[in-house]
Amino acid sequence: DVKVTQSSRYLVKRTGEKVFLECVQDMDHENMFWYRQDPGLGLRLIYFSYDVKMKEKGDIPEGYSVSREKKERFSLILESASTNQTSMYLCASIGGLKAEQYFGPGTRLTVT
Amino acid sequence: QKEVEQDPGPLSVPEGAIVSLNCTYSNSAFQYFMWYRQYSRKGPELLMYTYSSGNKEDGRFTAQVDKSSKYISLFIRDSQPSDSATYLCAMSNTGFQKLVFGTGTRLLVSP
Repeated sequence: DVKVTQSSRYLVKRTGEKVFLECVQDMDHENMFWYRQDPGLGLRLIYFSYDVKMKEKGDIPEGYSVSREKKERFSLILESASTNQTSMYLCASIGGLKAEQYFGPGTRLTVT
Repeated sequence: QKEVEQDPGPLSVPEGAIVSLNCTYSNSAFQYFMWYRQYSRKGPELLMYTYSSGNKEDGRFTAQVDKSSKYISLFIRDSQPSDSATYLCAMSNTGFQKLVFGTGTRLLVSP
């Protein structure tokens, strides 16, 4: 019953490292999203993609980039990780006639 | 002031109680209103969504939207311990693409 998977549940990286977070969905959904979730701030949209190679900035894109080379895979890239990027990162996909939306289990990233 | 306000709780109720979870918002352009349930260490799960005003029912869950008051509610009837989770509201004026989330209300249902 796997729908949205994320490459890691927990990740620890050092300041300045390049970090890749991968998300894969198996529902042939067109739209995929990256959010971060922080206590007291809720979920905030970083980037989303509505098709292969297409992307749009969300509310907090600074310090992040994304890649969508295949429909099922959406990657979030932290070019140079900083401590303020320590957070829970959630991937989601949406598609289907009834706008089915599914989130992945999240990746808890710690930048030291 | 945040665009979407949600009391963080925790809200503690006994099993079988009717639960009322609420969000207020400031942007009158919002047309889509969503409710999510998030268990600890899991991603959010979409429970239901409504467009514009009115009520929507799905099993034990009822979502209400009052656009004149900028207030939305989620009611849970016959609450169960398995309903213990954090409930997030979210809303937008463009469907699912640019959702604005509340910070969530933690619900605890005791047996």
